[in-house]
Amino acid sequence: TQLLEQSPQFLSIQEGENLTVYCNSSSVFSSLQWYRQEPGEGPVLLVTVVTGGEVKKLKRLTFQFGDARKDSSLHITAAQPGDTGLYLCAGAKYAGNNRKLIWGLGTSLAVNP
Amino acid sequence: EPEVTQTPSHQVTQMGQEVILRCVPISNHLYFYWYRQILGQKVEFLVSFYNNEISEKSEIFDDQFSVERPDGSNFTLKIRSTKLEDSAMYFCASRGQGGSPLHFGNGTRLTVT
Repeated sequence: TQLLEQSPQFLSIQEGENLTVYCNSSSVFSSLQWYRQEPGEGPVLLVTVVTGGEVKKLKRLTFQFGDARKDSSLHITAAQPGDTGLYLCAGAKYAGNNRKLIWGLGTSLAVNP
Repeated sequence: EPEVTQTPSHQVTQMGQEVILRCVPISNHLYFYWYRQILGQKVEFLVSFYNNEISEKSEIFDDQFSVERPDGSNFTLKIRSTKLEDSAMYFCASRGQGGSPLHFGNGTRLTVT
């Protein structure tokens, strides 16, 4: 069974702080996606990482895919209250086929003003 | 920007009743999915649908579940005889060709009493 473990599960920080959340697995994924989910809404895709060692930046968010394509991290610089939400990682096993995603439980982030 | 729409947003039903959850995927998308998320648990894959047939389903998707694309726009999930453990958020998703990402609807919260 493929599993994705996210840590920490909960994170509460002050505005302006930096943070990193992790997504780890013993399995290799052909791609890994990070989503953000607001209460009462569906997951919204932030980024897809495909190549081992790949780093992608989205404004203050930096995503990295591990060299072995088993893990990933999301780093937020100078967090803002608007970053508050649930961050989910999801791995796809087949290249070019993200029809079946394996999901982590998520990291619930609260950024306090 | 086009989006996936789901109705109703919340459905309450009694155990043993049939429910139909409705989704309108993005119009030019070809692949359709149902995922569910039980409160406090991970998002789980239920089924994928392409070219008017199921392309993959999980062990959760037993004989009580069925999907249908009755016309060119709707994609439905039917649960024939609901159980208490079917209570969850049900997300519909769609995507275009190749490795294009999934777009999720805002979900239907199903409560079985």
